[in-house]
Amino acid sequence: ETGVTQSPTHLIKTRGQQVTLRCSSQSGHNTVSWYQQALGQGPQFIFQYYREEENGRGNFPPRFSGLQFPNYSSELNVNALELDDSALYLCASSLPYRNSPLHFGNGTRLTVT
Amino acid sequence: GENVEQHPSTLSVQEGDSAVIKCTYSDSASNYFPWYKQELGKGPQLIIDIRSNVGEKKDQRIAVTLNKTAKHFSLHITETQPEDSAVYFCAASTQSGGGADGLTFGKGTHLIIQP
Repeated sequence: ETGVTQSPTHLIKTRGQQVTLRCSSQSGHNTVSWYQQALGQGPQFIFQYYREEENGRGNFPPRFSGLQFPNYSSELNVNALELDDSALYLCASSLPYRNSPLHFGNGTRLTVT
Repeated sequence: GENVEQHPSTLSVQEGDSAVIKCTYSDSASNYFPWYKQELGKGPQLIIDIRSNVGEKKDQRIAVTLNKTAKHFSLHITETQPEDSAVYFCAASTQSGGGADGLTFGKGTHLIIQP
């Protein structure tokens, strides 16, 4: 069984730039969520995708956007990067059933300078 | 929205002793409480979870207890081993997969197992 894979593992961007992070969900999982984890903090929910539609969103501005593709893979896009966007971005997948837990990838470490 | 408080932030125990991490939550509608272990350079890994219709759940050396009236839940690790050293996160949600509101995490506990 293939787990959640994310790319790239590390990324350095300049303030004001745009970034795209990618995620392949665990085999058989059709729901994908994205979380932001600042250094020394717990993950914070950004949004969730199911059947290529956003079906839930945390307290993040519209410059954070996403996509889910027919093969259930997903992208996280962040526009107009700010220094505070520096964090570990985690993708998690799950089955769309009530008792299906989240399985996380190892994340993408984004540094904004 | 939901707020999850986790204590302590750092816990150091002797190898072989027990470790207890405690969390409280604010939203009485929450009914799913997972615990994740995060090692350096890796994503969080689910180690155990509990739903609100259960008061306690065990899996080998790991157990979780839930008190819905007091809105708190705890992780218990017995016979700690060096490989238990990591950051542990509690979380709460109204749905197992996080649902439309996602999982709300605590700030984490850095567990250090002293040899």
